[in-house]
Amino acid sequence: AQSVTQPDIHITVSEGASLELRCNYSYGATPYLFWYVQSPGQGLQLLLKYFSGDTLVQGIKGFEPEFKRSQSSFNLRKPSVHWSDAAEYFCAVGTSGTYKYIFGTGTRLKVLA
Amino acid sequence: EAQVTQNPRYLITVTGKKLTVTCSQNMNHEYMSWYRQDPGLGLRQIYYSMNVEVTDKGDVPEGYKVSRKEKRNFPLILESPSPNQTSLYFCASSLLGRVLETQYFGPGTRLLVL
Repeated sequence: AQSVTQPDIHITVSEGASLELRCNYSYGATPYLFWYVQSPGQGLQLLLKYFSGDTLVQGIKGFEPEFKRSQSSFNLRKPSVHWSDAAEYFCAVGTSGTYKYIFGTGTRLKVLA
Repeated sequence: EAQVTQNPRYLITVTGKKLTVTCSQNMNHEYMSWYRQDPGLGLRQIYYSMNVEVTDKGDVPEGYKVSRKEKRNFPLILESPSPNQTSLYFCASSLLGRVLETQYFGPGTRLLVL
């Protein structure tokens, strides 16, 4: 079955510390991979999009992707977190064949001053 | 300004009273979709549409209807709402091409069914 797993429900980091947001997926076809961010009370906004290693939309806010095909993981890293990064982050997969999307359950990031 | 708008933003209703949540986009996008967001479950796709008069079920379509009579509008209809449809609903739109395009999300509609 197709699925997206974000193993960390909550993450708390200090401002200036590094951050890793984890995402694992199970998908039959070669998927498109997305990271979206949702600030409190807002809709979702795209951070990154990735497909088969040859199309990458550079993320906003300094986030960097880490794609490991062998581990079916699509993690997100940021070297130095800012207080404004506090939000909820969603990983998602989709295919151009079905145009259906599956989202993970989200990781809520808290940033300590 | 390019945007996806949803109305209403907040809605309290009672079980069984039909309601419609409207969604409109001004970006000439072919693809539109509805999601519901619930704590611990993330976003789940309800219905999507790839063009006018073309709609298809997502993962959780039960209890919902949609229509796509115009390219810019994609209303979500709850014919007989039940308390388990209390949720935060998002509409999204994107271009439709050979590759999956970025989805643009509306601000959300928070629905409470009593």
